[in-house]
Order: sequence, then structure tokens, then C-alpha cells
Amino acid sequence: GQSLEQPSEVTAVEGAIVQINCTYQTSGFYGLSWYQQHDGGAPTFLSYNGLDGLEETGRFSSFLSRSDSYGYLLLQELQMKDSASYFCAVMWEGNMLTFGGGTRLMVKP
Amino acid sequence: EAGVVQSPRYKIIEKKQPVAFWCNPISGHNTLYWYLQNLGQGPELLIRYENEEAVDDSQLPKDRFSAERLKGVDSTLKIQPAELGDSAVYLCASSLDGTNTEAFFGQGTRLTVV
Repeated sequence: GQSLEQPSEVTAVEGAIVQINCTYQTSGFYGLSWYQQHDGGAPTFLSYNGLDGLEETGRFSSFLSRSDSYGYLLLQELQMKDSASYFCAVMWEGNMLTFGGGTRLMVKP
Repeated sequence: EAGVVQSPRYKIIEKKQPVAFWCNPISGHNTLYWYLQNLGQGPELLIRYENEEAVDDSQLPKDRFSAERLKGVDSTLKIQPAELGDSAVYLCASSLDGTNTEAFFGQGTRLTVV
């Protein structure tokens, strides 16, 4: 089966950098995705790592290490609007998408 | 371009009653997902369609849940009869095809069973 673990909650201050980790116990997947979800909103796609290494998209970066069964989402220059839940998700063969439990990020002034 | 559209946004029903949710995916998207999300948790896959075919419904409680995707476009998810534990947000998502890595989600239907 698949299992993805994330911290349940992270708190940081505006302007800071925060890293949200995702560890998984699975194999044979295509890549690791990250989604953001504001309260009451729909999950929205942030990034995808198909290969090991770092992917950068503006203030957000995502990293994957298959050998370590580990990935992370890095958010820089935090803004209040970044307060949301962040989910890592594994993309499987055949376009399967399995989500972790999510990390609730609270950004404080 | 319109995103994934779901209706209704909110639904309150009494237990043992039936309920149906509707999803209109992004035009041209072949893959459609239904997820269930409980408060404070990640989305859990219920069923996945590739065009009209349900290719993964292993997590769908088939004694009370059913789904269909006629003509490979719109989809409906039905619960009959609903139980108190079915209260959750039901999310629909779509993606272009099996090679596409981004799924687009609708706003979801928040179901409350009383």
C-alpha cells in the first residue's frame, strides 16, 4: 500500500522561510506533487517532481529524493495569504493520485 | 476557460435519504476523480474514470455508493442510503490524460447528514 506522512501543523512568521516535509513508504510511483488548499476552497496544484532534485516556481520550491523516500515543499518570503493546508501527493502509474494527510501552515505577522 | 464545476455546493439531508452530486470536468479532460475529504484530512480517492470507464473503484463503498460517467464527460456520485458518517466534502477533479501530472479540483460539495 501507499503511506505518506507530513507534519500536521507548522507555524512561521511573515517573511520567513518554511519547509514542509513529506516522507513516504511506497515504490513504483511516477512522482511527487504538492497542492495548496485554503479553508473552504479547492486543492490547487503547486508543483510536481518527476525526477530527483529541486523544482523552483517563484517563491515555492519542491524537492524529491527517491533514494531517501523523502520530499519537501519550501516556501520563501512567507505572506499571510500562504496560510493554508499543503498536501503532498504521489502520482502513480495510470494517473492515480494519492494524498497525504496535509500540513496546516499558519503564518503570523 | 471554465474550471471543474460541482453542484450543489452544500447539501443537508436526513440519514437514510438518497443524495446525488454532479461534476462537470474541464472540457477535453479524459481522467475524472471523485475524492472524499473529512475535516483536517487529505482527500481520499473514491473512484477514478478514464473516459467512460471506471478504472479504479476499489475504495468506493459499493453497498451504498454508486457513480457514473456517461459519454465520458459529466459524472454523478450517488449515496443511497446516506449515513451520519458520510458527512464530508466530496471533491471532483479532472486531468487531461494519463501522462498529465496536474489535477484540477472543483469547489466540492459539503454534505451534512443529520
